[in-house]
Amino acid sequence: ETGVTQSPTHLIKTRGQQVTLRCSSQSGHNTVSWYQQALGQGPQFIFQYYREEENGRGNFPPRFSGLQFPNYSSELNVNALELDDSALYLCASSSTGVDEKLFFGSGTQLSVL
Amino acid sequence: AQSVTQLGSHVSVSEGALVLLRCNYSSSVPPYLFWYVQYPNQGLQLLLKYTTGATLVKGINGFEAEFKKSETSFHLTKPSAHMSDAAEYFCAVSDPLGGGKLIFGQGTELSVKP
Repeated sequence: ETGVTQSPTHLIKTRGQQVTLRCSSQSGHNTVSWYQQALGQGPQFIFQYYREEENGRGNFPPRFSGLQFPNYSSELNVNALELDDSALYLCASSSTGVDEKLFFGSGTQLSVL
Repeated sequence: AQSVTQLGSHVSVSEGALVLLRCNYSSSVPPYLFWYVQYPNQGLQLLLKYTTGATLVKGINGFEAEFKKSETSFHLTKPSAHMSDAAEYFCAVSDPLGGGKLIFGQGTELSVKP
């Protein structure tokens, strides 16, 4: 157990809908990163939040957005869902520092029909 | 730009045999290097990482990896495979100044035969 929890574990949406995924960080961690893992692929970095501010973004369109709350939990929001958004979404928390270590949650499996 | 290439999307070994999973990277700066394991329906678990110092890194579950700068490689090995090692393995690279953003390879699925 990493102490990082994600909800829901599975989700089915239709094209064009909006979705919100949630992540609770491990205690003491102030940084949250989100990754998208398509079937048969490695995870791809979406963005990172540090102390409630976006702190780096990967090659994802603006319809992917996020929030980090004062308790360091986080949300990933995706608007106007497309079929290609179907993937496992992973949240990882860490504490800042030169030798930071990421702790991953078990992910949310999103299916877009 | 950084990138990671894992040679072989699927590796099959017999129980007790040597495990060798290959990873090559590209980076314009001295990178941090990682190996993660993913079991079905689970997130990623860190096996080991290289930041600086000793180039042979030992991790959990008997795995180790060696950073070879001249070959831009970070291959993962284990002397004797167990059935419980069957999983997906990911090599990743990060820029030490990049705030923790990881670039992952495509993954290698390890099967262990009895």
